[in-house]
Amino acid sequence: DGGITQSPKYLFRKEGQNVTLSCEQNLNHDAMYWYRQDPGQGLRLIYYSQIVNDFQKGDIAEGYSVSREKKESFPLTVTSAQKNPTAFYLCASSPEAGHGLEAFFGQGTRLTVV
Amino acid sequence: EDQVTQSPEALRLQEGESSSLNCSYTVSGLRGLFWYRQDPGKGPEFLFTLYSAGEEKEKERLKATLTKKESFLHITAPKPEDSATYLCAVRSNSGYALNFGKGTSLLVTP
Repeated sequence: DGGITQSPKYLFRKEGQNVTLSCEQNLNHDAMYWYRQDPGQGLRLIYYSQIVNDFQKGDIAEGYSVSREKKESFPLTVTSAQKNPTAFYLCASSPEAGHGLEAFFGQGTRLTVV
Repeated sequence: EDQVTQSPEALRLQEGESSSLNCSYTVSGLRGLFWYRQDPGKGPEFLFTLYSAGEEKEKERLKATLTKKESFLHITAPKPEDSATYLCAVRSNSGYALNFGKGTSLLVTP
């Protein structure tokens, strides 16, 4: 089955730690995205990548980093510089960025700071 | 800057009571308007894409329509399993990613 796999489903982070969220897709899509979702707020864009070895900051990139070494993979690192990391993180992909084509989402990772 | 506003924030319906959700948008050149359904703790599930004013799409009890300024998601004779948050998003000439509204939380009671 084609789709987007995010792992883990739940993640707990101690203060001052970096953590990495995994996102893998087997849809052969060029574009991948990371969004953050907080209660009562819409999805906010963290980073996106249009092609391998290229990525761009979204609206709330501070305290996050990404890499795109393979077409299938777009991991997100939440660094200790992110002051309020507790949120629901969603990864998505689409055939191309910047075109009128829908994006498909993974099932999300819920990150909690303890 | 693209803006997407959804209303109402929350909607409670009796089973069988039809209604509509609204998504108004301001963009510099619309490339697509998207509707998603999101269940609690899950990722959004794609429903529809609309590209131009006058376009309509249907799926079971849902019908999405588009004008130059807004989109409506009509729900006909809803069932409790239609309860979810419905998200609207746009892709425009000025952006590479989807820009989302805050969603409408729909509860359908038996």
